[in-house]
Amino acid sequence: GAVVSQHPSRVICKSGTSVKIECRSLDFQATTMFWYRQFPKKSLMLMATSNEGSKATYEQGVEKDKFLINHASLTLSTLTVTSAHPEDSSFYICSARPTLRQRSSRAGTNTGELFFGEGSRLTVL
Amino acid sequence: AQSVTQLDSQVPVFEEAPVELRCNYSSSVSVYLFWYVQYPNQGLQLLLKYLSGSTLVESINGFEAEFNKSQTSFHLRKPSVHISDTAEYFCAVSVGYQKVTFGTGTKLQVIP
Repeated sequence: GAVVSQHPSRVICKSGTSVKIECRSLDFQATTMFWYRQFPKKSLMLMATSNEGSKATYEQGVEKDKFLINHASLTLSTLTVTSAHPEDSSFYICSARPTLRQRSSRAGTNTGELFFGEGSRLTVL
Repeated sequence: AQSVTQLDSQVPVFEEAPVELRCNYSSSVSVYLFWYVQYPNQGLQLLLKYLSGSTLVESINGFEAEFNKSQTSFHLRKPSVHISDTAEYFCAVSVGYQKVTFGTGTKLQVIP
């Protein structure tokens, strides 16, 4: 199957600093990537939809200035948590959906299936 | 908008016993249905999916799920669980290629 890589897998930072998390699709192109936040004992909360070459679409209640998303290429999206605070500590997961033109040429990817990264655990002290 | 309900937050089961993880969804249009598995401190992996056709879908590691349109359910089953199946399982639904909505997850705890 297709591979999505997230980096770093774990990060610890001081309160007030900014942290960048990268999400890369390694063997396919993704016009659209999604960023999720996972709280303990809760489901994945969709934070935003990252669109290559345009602004991200944020879900209601997610602060755009707090969680900066950049989708600079068809294989890379970044999430920057700005001025991080302890309440931002969480598990952040990205997912990517292969672009339409690739869907018919790869087994398992012609259905709009999402491929997930391994997740990034952020701890803010 | 679509939604997914996983009523059981935790399911303990003895090794080699059968298990069923329940999932119900609501949507006014046709949907795609998925089950994802998450091992501790890892991302999600697709376990199986229903798009169309046969209502019974199977995974390579012995899990199966059956799409029941009348009951709007997509329960996940395995006839005999292993210790290695201990993980959290998420049911998910999407309308076409739109965003995926996840359930709250069910933690499967296999007891030796």
